[in-house]
Amino acid sequence: KNQVEQSPQSLIILEGKNCTLQCNYTVSPFSNLRWYKQDTGRGPVSLTIMTFSENTKSNGRYTATLDADTKQSSLHITASQLSDSASYICVVSRGQAGTALIFGKGTTLSVSS
Amino acid sequence: DTAVSQTPKYLVTQMGNDKSIKCEQNLGHDTMYWYKQDSKKFLKIMFSYNNKELIINETVPNRFSPKSPDKAHLNLHINSLELGDSAVYFCASSLDGGYGSYNEQFFGPGTRLTVL
Repeated sequence: KNQVEQSPQSLIILEGKNCTLQCNYTVSPFSNLRWYKQDTGRGPVSLTIMTFSENTKSNGRYTATLDADTKQSSLHITASQLSDSASYICVVSRGQAGTALIFGKGTTLSVSS
Repeated sequence: DTAVSQTPKYLVTQMGNDKSIKCEQNLGHDTMYWYKQDSKKFLKIMFSYNNKELIINETVPNRFSPKSPDKAHLNLHINSLELGDSAVYFCASSLDGGYGSYNEQFFGPGTRLTVL
């Protein structure tokens, strides 16, 4: 069954700290993996997109890693800011036309001062 | 200069009514989508259109009908609204390649539908 599991479900950290969010997937065949940030009351915004051959990709303070062998991805946030408070959604593409994007349920991150 | 816009932002209506949500993108993209986000914040694809042609229709009740007058617009019409239709509906667009391709999807701000 094609699934994307994210952990933790929610996370609270202090401003300035680092954190890592996890994504495990059982989607096959794999095409690409995306991380989205969704602020409360807004649409998701793409942070990174990685294909099978990419192990890591950065976008400012956000760094995503991908291990296609173990089917795991992580999103590392460095020096967190209050504006990082949001839901982070992992999405895996099956690479075929049709029902190709499988969404995780997201990790809700709260950054406090 | 909003990339993907939706109207209305909030929609409150009675059960049994028919309503529409409009979506427009000014990015020149070929593919547009409708997503539903439930109360648990889980996003699920409903429809995808590529150049005005339907390419994905998930197991969505036929009370939901997407309409694409041109490739910059994808409207969602809902007949006989039910309580379970209450959710946030997001429109999105991508350059090309269809669903699941490498192309980044740009999302609209969402429309919060409440059915009473």
